[in-house]
Amino acid sequence: QVQLVQSGAEVKKPGASVKVSCKASGYTFSSYGISWVRQAPGQGLEWMGWISGYNGNTNYAQKLQGRVTMTTDTSTSTAYMELRSLRSDDTAVYYCARGIYGIGWYSRFDYWGQGTLVTVSS
Amino acid sequence: QSALTQPASVSGSPGQSITISCTGTSSDVGGYNHVSWYQQHPGKAPKVMIYEVSNRPSGVSNRFSGSKSGNTASLTISGLQAEDEADYYCSSYRSSSTPVVFGGGTKLTVL
Repeated sequence: QVQLVQSGAEVKKPGASVKVSCKASGYTFSSYGISWVRQAPGQGLEWMGWISGYNGNTNYAQKLQGRVTMTTDTSTSTAYMELRSLRSDDTAVYYCARGIYGIGWYSRFDYWGQGTLVTVSS
Repeated sequence: QSALTQPASVSGSPGQSITISCTGTSSDVGGYNHVSWYQQHPGKAPKVMIYEVSNRPSGVSNRFSGSKSGNTASLTISGLQAEDEADYYCSSYRSSSTPVVFGGGTKLTVL
């Protein structure tokens, strides 16, 4: 069965960086993309970007451009999301999700990781 | 860029039907059949309930249905059950530098 297992909770100081991992299993990693979605405490979902499991092509949300980098390691079917220059309003649960999408379209995120809480506090 | 517009809350009694709206623009909801709906229970990851406006993934109850008219998409839940109480988010493709947008979310209360 398809599973996405994320790394554990992190506590970071403002200005630091965080890197969250998402290990996929149960499907051919290169056949799908991985998207990252975050949710601040008590707030809604915010799309951060996605990365192709096939060729590593990325597309990031405009507001995070320059601070976020998404990568993959196809040898271990793992996706990574690094966010730099952390601020207090980056405190959120970060989810990875398998994405079904292409150029000019997006269908759905059909499997999700369990979420990783990132807390940014001095 | 602004999120899609959803009512903050809706409620209904067991057995009733409710509809949650999701309003966007011609650059997202109105321009593409790429609207999806997600259910999220407290402390859990979201789960896709409807994709491409009206398609149900395997395993999702047929009590859930989706539709779209102009710039507004809708999720209807019929025969409400206690387990349907959750937050619901719509999402759409958007022709912009940020191609995926979510709604603000709707809290469904089953009375």
